[in-house]
Amino acid sequence: QVQLQQSGAELVKPGTSVKLSCKASGYTFTSNHMNWIKQTTGQGLEWIGIINPGSGGTSYNVKFKGKATLTVDKSSSTAFMQLSSLTPEDSAVYYCASGARAYWGQGTLVTVSS
Amino acid sequence: DIQMTQSPSFLSASVGDRVTINCKASQNINKYLDWYQQKHGEAPKLLIYNTNNLQTGIPSRFSGSGSGTDYTLTISSLQPEDVATYFCLQHSSRPYTFGAGTKLELK
Repeated sequence: QVQLQQSGAELVKPGTSVKLSCKASGYTFTSNHMNWIKQTTGQGLEWIGIINPGSGGTSYNVKFKGKATLTVDKSSSTAFMQLSSLTPEDSAVYYCASGARAYWGQGTLVTVSS
Repeated sequence: DIQMTQSPSFLSASVGDRVTINCKASQNINKYLDWYQQKHGEAPKLLIYNTNNLQTGIPSRFSGSGSGTDYTLTISSLQPEDVATYFCLQHSSRPYTFGAGTKLELK
C-alpha cells in the first residue's frame, strides 16, 4: 500500500534552515508528483509547491519562493523540502502529499524558537 | 490567486442529519475541486476528487456536486465518526488554494 513516511519533529532556532524528508513506498516514486503543504492554526492549509520526481521540475507558490526548496533522491524514493531563514511564522505542521494528493504523510511539526 | 470561500465555518448536526458544506471560488475552477476530511491530530484524507468522484474506500454517504464557482459536499446521513474538519481544495490553477475549513460536531 502507498505510504509516505515523514521525518520527525524539529525544534530549530530563528535564522537557521531545516530539511524535511518524505520517504515514499508502495508505488513507483517517479510516477506521481509530490506536493508540500503547510498547516497552521491561524492560516489554515497553504500549498507550498510541487515537484516532479522524474524530472526534478518544480513549481512554487510565490509566497514560498526563497523560503522552500524542493528536491528528490530517486535512489531512495525520498522527497525533501528545505526551509531557510526560519522565523517563528514558519512554525507549522508540514505535509507531503502524492498521487494527486490522495496520499499524505503523517506531517512534520516544525517549531522555530530561540 | 484563486480565493476559496468555505461556509459555514462551524456546523452542529445530529446523527442521521443531511449535512451540506459549501465552497465558492473567486473564479471558474472547471470542477477541479477536491474535498478533504481531517480528524484531530491526523493528516487530511481525500474524500471527493474533481467535484463528484468518490475516493476509493470512502462511504457512499459522502457526495460532491457543483460547477463553475460553486461546489458542495453532502453527507447524506451523518454518523458519529464524521466529526471532523472538512476542507475544499481547488487545483484548477497554481497556486492551489484551500478553503478555511468547516468544523463539524455532533449536536
